[in-house]
Formats: sequence, structure tokens, C-alpha cells
Amino acid sequence: NAGVTQTPKFRVLKTGQSMTLLCAQDMNHEYMYWYRQDPGMGLRLIHYSVGEGTTAKGEVPDGYNVSRLKKQNFLLGLESAAPSQTSVYFCASSYPTAYSYGYTFGSGTRLTVV
Amino acid sequence: AQSVTQPDIHITVSEGASLELRCNYSYGATPYLFWYVQSPGQGLQLLLKYFSGDTLVQGIKGFEAEFKRSQSSFNLRKPSVHWSDAAEYFCAVDTDKLIFGTGTRLQVFP
Repeated sequence: NAGVTQTPKFRVLKTGQSMTLLCAQDMNHEYMYWYRQDPGMGLRLIHYSVGEGTTAKGEVPDGYNVSRLKKQNFLLGLESAAPSQTSVYFCASSYPTAYSYGYTFGSGTRLTVV
Repeated sequence: AQSVTQPDIHITVSEGASLELRCNYSYGATPYLFWYVQSPGQGLQLLLKYFSGDTLVQGIKGFEAEFKRSQSSFNLRKPSVHWSDAAEYFCAVDTDKLIFGTGTRLQVFP
């Protein structure tokens, strides 16, 4: 089925460990986004990409890095995980003219840092 | 910078009652506006969107929203709430990226 796939769905990390979250889309979307969701704070944009090889900072980029080596994939990395990064992470993608087709969201990755 | 405010953190209504969830935005130009719904442990589902034209927008599940430029608002309404509408609702504004409000949690009593 066409859409946005996030891997893994759940993960528990120890403080200081590193990991990479993978977002893959098969809709040929140009734009991709990473959000984190925390209770009472809605979804906050971490980083986004407007095309292969590009990345840009969102509202809360500190402690995260991203890469967009292939158009269909957008990776979110945590180099040294902290308990404050415990959250649910959502990936999304869209065409540049998002108003025509809207955004497609993945089902989320629940990350716990202990 | 663009922002979205949802002033109601939590709303409780009785099943069958009408519902209005408030959303105010801050953006210099005419925004693209969205409402999403999220059930517990689930992802986001698009309810409706406004881009231009008719300021009253119809969405799925019997929801509608009205864009009022003079009030910078995009409130979500439903005439009769069902128990299955209990969820968290997010308003969002699209400039060159999607910015969300903090959400309103809806509880429905039978």
C-alpha cells in the first residue's frame, strides 16, 4: 500500500546510546518532515527536507540530525540519546504544492530513553 | 513567525450535543488551514482543509470548519457528537511547512 512507513515502531534506548529512525515513502513526494509529539505540546517540527540532498531545521532541531540521501527516505538520527528525547516521532511527506494533496503521515515511532 | 493557538486543552460534551473547537492562527498572508484528529495510540487523520474559496469547509465524519479572516480563526464544529468522536484534535497552518497547535482533547459522555 502506498504511504509513509516508519521503522521501528517502538524502541527503548539507554541514555547516551545512538539510533536512527527511518522514514520511507513511495509516493514520489518531494518534501519530507520529522515531528515529535509530547503531551500538551502538539506536534513540533524537528527537521524537514524539500528535496533529495537537502535538509532544514524546524522548531526543535537540537540533539537531532537528518539525512535525505535518497528521495524516498528521510533518516532521523539521535547521536547521544537523552531522557528529554522520549517522545512519539512522526514522519510526513508531501508534494511542494501541499495544498493540493495534503500531507501523508506515518503511524509513528514510540521512543523511550531511560 | 506563524503560529497556531488552540485555547481549549480539554473539552467534555455529552453524546448528541453540539461541538465547537477553537483555533486561532498567526500568519501574514492567507494561510492554508487543516484540522486533524488522533485517536489514542494512533496516527493522524485529516478531517478537513481550507485553501481558498468558500469559507465554510465540509470534512469527514460530519465535521465542518469556518474560516474567518477578520478573527484569524478556523473553528471546527459538529452538530451532534458521537461517542466515537472522543479523540485529540489538532489545528494546523501550512506555510512552507505544517505547524500544529497544541491540541484539544475531546471527551464524550454517554
